[in-house]
Amino acid sequence: DGGITQSPKYLFRKEGQNVTLSCEQNLNHDAMYWYRQDPGQGLRLIYYSQIVNDFQKGDIAEGYSVSREKKESFPLTVTSAQKNPTAFYLCASSLWTSTETQYFGPGTRLLVL
Amino acid sequence: GQQLNQSPQSMFIQEGEDVSMNCTSSSIFNTWLWYKQDPGEGPVLLIALYKAGELTSNGRLTAQFGITRKDSFLNISASIPSDVGIYFCAGQKETSGSRLTFGEGTQLTVNP
Repeated sequence: DGGITQSPKYLFRKEGQNVTLSCEQNLNHDAMYWYRQDPGQGLRLIYYSQIVNDFQKGDIAEGYSVSREKKESFPLTVTSAQKNPTAFYLCASSLWTSTETQYFGPGTRLLVL
Repeated sequence: GQQLNQSPQSMFIQEGEDVSMNCTSSSIFNTWLWYKQDPGEGPVLLIALYKAGELTSNGRLTAQFGITRKDSFLNISASIPSDVGIYFCAGQKETSGSRLTFGEGTQLTVNP
């Protein structure tokens, strides 16, 4: 079945450590996105990529990094520079011709201990 | 920063009741979207609206693109327990490329 997978579902990190969240899609979508969700808030855009080997900062990129070496994959690294990393992270993808129609993965909940 | 104001923040209703929620902005959007998120899952697209004044239905859900292009409304008729979740509006501007702006969500609880 086509879709977006994120792993792991839950992730625990010690303060000061970097951690990488996985996002894979087999929908043949061009564009991929990373969002952060905090309780009582809407989704905030961290980074997005419209094509392979290219990505742009979103509204809250500080403390995060991404790569887009393959069309199917868009991993997000939460670095130690991110001061408040505990959140629910959502990956999404879309066709380039229909960027308003974004399909979301199941999310990764990151907890910093 | 956040540009969409979504209300109400939460709703507690009885099964069978109708529900209305809305989203407003000080900016013009050329596309409005409504998503639903179940607990611990990613949002799922319910309805997409592309023209001012457009009224679109998806089963018991009906959404409208405001004529000013600065607001949108979602109605759910005859609610059922599986309607429980968080409903998000989202907008896309012509000048923002592929970026979406999300509202803060409406938490819906349906009592059987």
